[in-house]
Amino acid sequence: RKEVEQDPGPFNVPEGATVAFNCTYSNSASQSFFWYRQDCRKEPKLLMSVYSSGNEDGRFTAQLNRASQYISLLIRDSKLSDSATYLCVVNMGGNQFYFGTGTSLTVIP
Amino acid sequence: EPEVTQTPSHQVTQMGQEVILRCVPISNHLYFYWYRQILGQKVEFLVSFYNNEISEKSEIFDDQFSVERPDGSNFTLKIRSTKLEDSAMYFCASIPDRGIYGYTFGSGTRLTVV
Repeated sequence: RKEVEQDPGPFNVPEGATVAFNCTYSNSASQSFFWYRQDCRKEPKLLMSVYSSGNEDGRFTAQLNRASQYISLLIRDSKLSDSATYLCVVNMGGNQFYFGTGTSLTVIP
Repeated sequence: EPEVTQTPSHQVTQMGQEVILRCVPISNHLYFYWYRQILGQKVEFLVSFYNNEISEKSEIFDDQFSVERPDGSNFTLKIRSTKLEDSAMYFCASIPDRGIYGYTFGSGTRLTVV
């Protein structure tokens, strides 16, 4: 079983739409959760950490559901500049972080 | 904003040659990492480094790989005898401490083995 699983997409949405991504993780003892954004051929950049109580940063909302072992990312009012691959990243207690394969988002004018 | 710096940005090497990828982590960070990403695939963990020694490594990090922090600022990844399948983006990352922090990644070195 893969440690971190994401729907690869692609998600093609019109500008202004709301889009949501989910990510499941295999280890119930996982401790830290993050969403990263990766543009084509660039390094992943931290978008936001995911806290147990859920957290919001502008148009972005992240949630954690420990019982079902998934995290989610909601993007409201999508902009063209939101087009990227969104990576789910989980720390399962050791030194390494596990990456999902990423979900591709294209926002269409 | 503090950055993780990687050099070179692109390295082309012949199969069987040795390469050294260089990274300067953020100065007050304590944990350092190398990850790689083969084109079109997910980011994969190679090795973590803390207190001047390897703290964890993956199956990918076999005997042809080594890491060093020779002078307290640089953090290097050496691949002794490159293979075609080593072609990938190699990302260095650092964090100030374990736990709640996300990584800061460098901009990567694209390694092409021919």
